[in-house]
Amino acid sequence: KQEVTQIPAALSVPEGENLVLNCSFTDSAIYNLQWFRQDPGKGLTSLLLIQSSQREQTSGRLNASLDKSSGRSTLYIAASQPGDSATYLCALYGGDSSYKLIFGSGTRLLVRP
Amino acid sequence: EAGVAQSPRYKIIEKRQSVAFWCNPISGHATLYWYQQILGQGPKLLIQFQNNGVVDDSQLPKDRFSAERLKGVDSTLKIQPAKLEDSAVYLCASSLMGYSPLHFGNGTRLTVT
Repeated sequence: KQEVTQIPAALSVPEGENLVLNCSFTDSAIYNLQWFRQDPGKGLTSLLLIQSSQREQTSGRLNASLDKSSGRSTLYIAASQPGDSATYLCALYGGDSSYKLIFGSGTRLLVRP
Repeated sequence: EAGVAQSPRYKIIEKRQSVAFWCNPISGHATLYWYQQILGQGPKLLIQFQNNGVVDDSQLPKDRFSAERLKGVDSTLKIQPAKLEDSAVYLCASSLMGYSPLHFGNGTRLTVT
């Protein structure tokens, strides 16, 4: 059974710092992996999607990497800003054709001014 | 493109009462999901529809939860009777098909007292 873990559960950094959020999964047979952002009281906004054949995706100050063999993905945020404060969730489609997106429990990020 | 619409945004009920949530997905999206997100956790899939049909409802507590998707478009999720542990945010999401990116609504925050 596929399990997705995100560590740390919470992170507090000063503004301007570069940071890395981690996501690990137990079964390397995945179809793709998505990173989402969730603001308090809001739904989830998709940030980046990496197909299983890709190693990384970039969007602005965000860079997501995928290493299926080690069961890991990272989300790199450059030059963090207070507006980046939110919960970041990773989720993946397993390779079992179920079209079921499996989520980690998220990392709650606070960027201090 | 209009996003996924959910209503109501908030609902407070007493235990043993019933409640219903409504979701209107993005036009043309064949797949619709209901997720339950308990505070501090990642979303957990309750039920997945492909057009009118149920693809996966293995984690839906069927003794108290029910869901339907009308004409392959709108969907309702009902809880009857509610328990204290049902307090959570209920998220609706839709996707074009298969492994396409998910688009989420803002969710309904349910408090059971």
